[in-house]
Amino acid sequence: QKEVEQDPGPLSVPEGAIVSLNCTYSNSAFQYFMWYRQYSRKGPELLMYTYSSGNKEDGRFTAQVDKSSKYISLFIRDSQPSDSATYLCAMTSNTGNQFYFGTGTSLTVIP
Amino acid sequence: DAGITQSPRHKVTETGTPVTLRCHQTENHRYMYWYRQDPGHGLRLIHYSYGVKDTDKGEVSDGYSVSRSKTEDFLLTLESATSSQTSVYFCAISESSRGTPLAKNIQYFGAGTRLSVL
Repeated sequence: QKEVEQDPGPLSVPEGAIVSLNCTYSNSAFQYFMWYRQYSRKGPELLMYTYSSGNKEDGRFTAQVDKSSKYISLFIRDSQPSDSATYLCAMTSNTGNQFYFGTGTSLTVIP
Repeated sequence: DAGITQSPRHKVTETGTPVTLRCHQTENHRYMYWYRQDPGHGLRLIHYSYGVKDTDKGEVSDGYSVSRSKTEDFLLTLESATSSQTSVYFCAISESSRGTPLAKNIQYFGAGTRLSVL
């Protein structure tokens, strides 16, 4: 079983829709949770990170962590064509020496 | 790209030749990582370093070696390149300080090196 599971999609939504991206994980030691956005032929760009459980909001983006269910989510409100990218989740423990990634979800926002 | 420079950005080489990729950071972060990214596999860790001359293997280290002689530089070497090593290679850095909520155990990535082995 992989440490982190992420539905690869692809996901296609109309402009203005609310997008929900999700990852599940198996290691209860994970405490730091990250979401990266990766445009085609570019490096992953850190979008949001959270520590332990709870929600974090930044503009149109909300990251949510449910440690009891080992489930994290990224919500994108009022999605824009510029949000079209691959979204990667990542996580690590308190020692933070190795990071574990989902395989990424490809998102297309249609104008 | 958070003060991370990868070079070269693109390289085409022949099977059996040695190849060295360079990662340079200006953030003075302790940890540096090399990943490869392939369709269907996502990001896979090759090697990482937790300090000068301190390195460890990752998930897919066979055929690769690394060196870190200075905090700011982390080199990845393919001793004898094979076609299966055709990939996009990313360097990442992390502060990875231990344990409090204020500790920033998060990674920042370079722009990548696209390597083709013919």
